[in-house]
Amino acid sequence: NAGVTQTPKFQVLKTGQSMTLQCAQDMNHNSMYWYRQDPGMGLRLIYYSASEGTTDKGEVPNGYNVSRLNKREFSLRLESAAPSQTSVYFCASSVRTDNYGYTFGSGTRLTVV
Amino acid sequence: KNEVEQSPQNLTAQEGEFITINCSYSVGISALHWLQQHPGGGIVSLFMLSSGKKKHGRLIATINIQEKHSSLHITASHPRDSAVYICAVKRAGGGNEKLTFGTGTRLTIIP
Repeated sequence: NAGVTQTPKFQVLKTGQSMTLQCAQDMNHNSMYWYRQDPGMGLRLIYYSASEGTTDKGEVPNGYNVSRLNKREFSLRLESAAPSQTSVYFCASSVRTDNYGYTFGSGTRLTVV
Repeated sequence: KNEVEQSPQNLTAQEGEFITINCSYSVGISALHWLQQHPGGGIVSLFMLSSGKKKHGRLIATINIQEKHSSLHITASHPRDSAVYICAVKRAGGGNEKLTFGTGTRLTIIP
């Protein structure tokens, strides 16, 4: 099925470890996003990529880096994980010609101990 | 104050009841989204509105741009409608498509 695929679905890290969250979409969308969701708060934008080759910071970029590898893939890297990064992470994509319709991945539940 | 406020935060109703969830925002917008997040965590886009009203099955979404307010209605509610409903807005202006999200309304429908 067409959509946004995120891996892994679950991950436990120790403080200081690094990892990369992978995201791929097969809908030919130009824009891709990484959000985090924490209890009692709305989804918050970490980084986004308006098109292949460009990335920009969102509301909460500290501690993260991203790569827009090609039009399909947008990865999120935690270089040195901290307990404050325990969260559920969602990748999403959108396309202007679809009047900004959004499609979300299924989420990655990350716990940093 | 959050730019997007939803009410109520939690709502419990009996099967068959008419449900209304409200969203108010404080910024100029070009579009408003209603999203559904099921207990498993996945997020599904229900509606995108810039004016008026949209209907899909038992779901109806309305928006009043002048009052900066939107409502999501569910007719003949069913336990499978139990989920968190999230309102999100795209700010007017700019070329990007970033959204600002409300904190969600947790809906529980009791059989």
